[in-house]
Amino acid sequence: DQQVKQNSPSLSVQEGRISILNCDYTNSMFDYFLWYKKYPAEGPTFLISISSIKDKNEDGRFTVFLNKSAKHLSLHIVPSQPGDSAVYFCAASPLQGAQKLVFGQGTRLTINP
Amino acid sequence: ETGVTQSPTHLIKTRGQQVTLRCSSQSGHNTVSWYQQALGQGPQFIFQYYREEENGRGNFPPRFSGLQFPNYSSELNVNALELDDSALYLCASSLRTSGGGYEQYFGPGTRLTVT
Repeated sequence: DQQVKQNSPSLSVQEGRISILNCDYTNSMFDYFLWYKKYPAEGPTFLISISSIKDKNEDGRFTVFLNKSAKHLSLHIVPSQPGDSAVYFCAASPLQGAQKLVFGQGTRLTINP
Repeated sequence: ETGVTQSPTHLIKTRGQQVTLRCSSQSGHNTVSWYQQALGQGPQFIFQYYREEENGRGNFPPRFSGLQFPNYSSELNVNALELDDSALYLCASSLRTSGGGYEQYFGPGTRLTVT
């Protein structure tokens, strides 16, 4: 039972363009969502988060959008840079502060020069 | 650099053996979580420790156990290893506050191979 799904295993984007990574979830109890970035041989690094009371959170080049009715969130990276090439995981938690994260399978983003 | 370290980096064990993985959390972080990441999958929550007590467990059998120590270090123990236990094991530390809101800091992981 995959409660958090990232349906695109990989995504290739040209440098300078927008990267859009998508994530769907099934559990209505999730109310806190996070994006992590992972380079090879390193642990996941926190990127950005959003609470269910918001529909958008922005941090520099990164914006996360949440559509609760569709149970869908997306991460926008603009402009994309070569250093953004990594595996991106979305994660969800049923209660902010509960800290049990449920992760998606990940999307490998490749930024082409 | 998250300040969370794990040892060893890689480990090869035989089916049926026991293994102990170690994690050193960021100073001051009172919560540690352990995750298993199989190849091509996202991390799966094993359990969490808060102030040295287990505080939540995922869908893993009792042969997965843990300890958290006052010096911000922790252990994951796996008994009777099975081939399917081969994975990257990640620990993550965080500071649990009454106001909610948190950020988990992950270590680089231990790659366990069971043959």
